[in-house]
Amino acid sequence: DIQLTQFPSTLSASVGDRVTITCRASQSVETWLAWYQQKPGKAPKYLIYEASTLESGVPSRFSGSGSGTEFTLTIYSLQPDDFATYYCQQYNSYPLTFGQGTRLDIK
Amino acid sequence: EVQLVESGGGVVSPGGSLRLSCAASGFNFPDYAMHWVRQVPGKGLEWISLISGDGRTKYYADSVQGRFTISRDNSAHSLYLQMNGLRPDDSALYYCAKAPGYGDVCDFWGQGTLLTVSS
Repeated sequence: DIQLTQFPSTLSASVGDRVTITCRASQSVETWLAWYQQKPGKAPKYLIYEASTLESGVPSRFSGSGSGTEFTLTIYSLQPDDFATYYCQQYNSYPLTFGQGTRLDIK
Repeated sequence: EVQLVESGGGVVSPGGSLRLSCAASGFNFPDYAMHWVRQVPGKGLEWISLISGDGRTKYYADSVQGRFTISRDNSAHSLYLQMNGLRPDDSALYYCAKAPGYGDVCDFWGQGTLLTVSS
């Protein structure tokens, strides 16, 4: 099974900051990686697929990059609505797997 | 508007069985693969299972292989998860999610149904 490790596990930042979350895969997933955002008590929201393609309606301040085993999610100019937990997911092979999540808190 | 509504959760004794359902609307259900994903409250997401649009292809996480069965009724626009041999560590919020057709990701999610396995 492919393991996904996200870091940091927790990140504190302020409105207007740029933040980067990393997702590292235990073996290559090519670019078959997605990102989700989840707020407390809510279902996850789909943000990015194929490592860097924004889902329709996702603000352009979100950006994904990477390939192989190393991926990043960058949020430019954090907005109050962005404070949430973020998960990566690989869909290169079964079983599909998620990272353990990165919680983004307000500093 | 895509809507996914899960039901069937509850409290079950260890070793027991339960069937979860997910009612889908707002899209042509038979055209899309569907997932089950679970989450222990306060913890991370765990992918459980996927079924293809025609129901012929199914995949499972190692943790549920042989105990859980995914199925669908395309005429009823419904997805199911039959869970047997339940264990306390199966306790979680179970989400159904739709795949978009270009990859096995989850583009729409329901709100989840809660399963508690306890004696």
